[in-house]
Amino acid sequence: DAGVTQSPTHLIKTRGQQVTLRCSPKSGHDTVSWYQQALGQGPQFIFQYYEEEERQRGNFPDRFSGHQFPNYSSELNVNALLLGDSALYLCASSLYGTYAYNEQFFGPGTRLTVL
Amino acid sequence: AQSVTQPDIHITVSEGASLELRCNYSYGATPYLFWYVQSPGQGLQLLLKYFSGDTLVQGIKGFEAEFKRSQSSFNLRKPSVHWSDAAEYFCAVSQEYGNKLVFGAGTILRVKS
Repeated sequence: DAGVTQSPTHLIKTRGQQVTLRCSPKSGHDTVSWYQQALGQGPQFIFQYYEEEERQRGNFPDRFSGHQFPNYSSELNVNALLLGDSALYLCASSLYGTYAYNEQFFGPGTRLTVL
Repeated sequence: AQSVTQPDIHITVSEGASLELRCNYSYGATPYLFWYVQSPGQGLQLLLKYFSGDTLVQGIKGFEAEFKRSQSSFNLRKPSVHWSDAAEYFCAVSQEYGNKLVFGAGTILRVKS
């Protein structure tokens, strides 16, 4: 049973660039959420995708956008990168509309460094 | 708005000693509560969860947590800590059917031999 996978593992970008991170949910899951974890902090919710639509969004600017594909995988895009965007980006998946909807399984994360 | 407070940034315990990590939440309705563990450079692993029912919940790796509504707390416990338990522990809350998780700042556990 494949868990949540993310790519790439690490990424280095410079200010102003754009980045795309990818996530494949756990087998059988249809909902993907993205979190940003800055150094020394807990993860913060960015947004959630279900049925290829953004369903919930946290307090993040429009520079952060996403997409979900028909196979339930997802991308997180960040434009005009700032130094403060350096963080571990975590993807989590769950199964919508079930008792287990609130139980999210996390991937290993993508470490983004902005120079 | 929901919030989670983990009062202890760092905790050091001796191997074999008992452990309690504190978590307090702020949420008006019945919360869904979680404890996750994160090893360095890794993602989050779910230790246990509370949705409803028995307020003492058992999780993996010998951990348990007790939900106390009157104190708005969900403290994590383990009777005997192993060196492999050294990691960062996060308490999180979500609203019923809301799914979005709100995390505390985490507690770093160090285990001394």
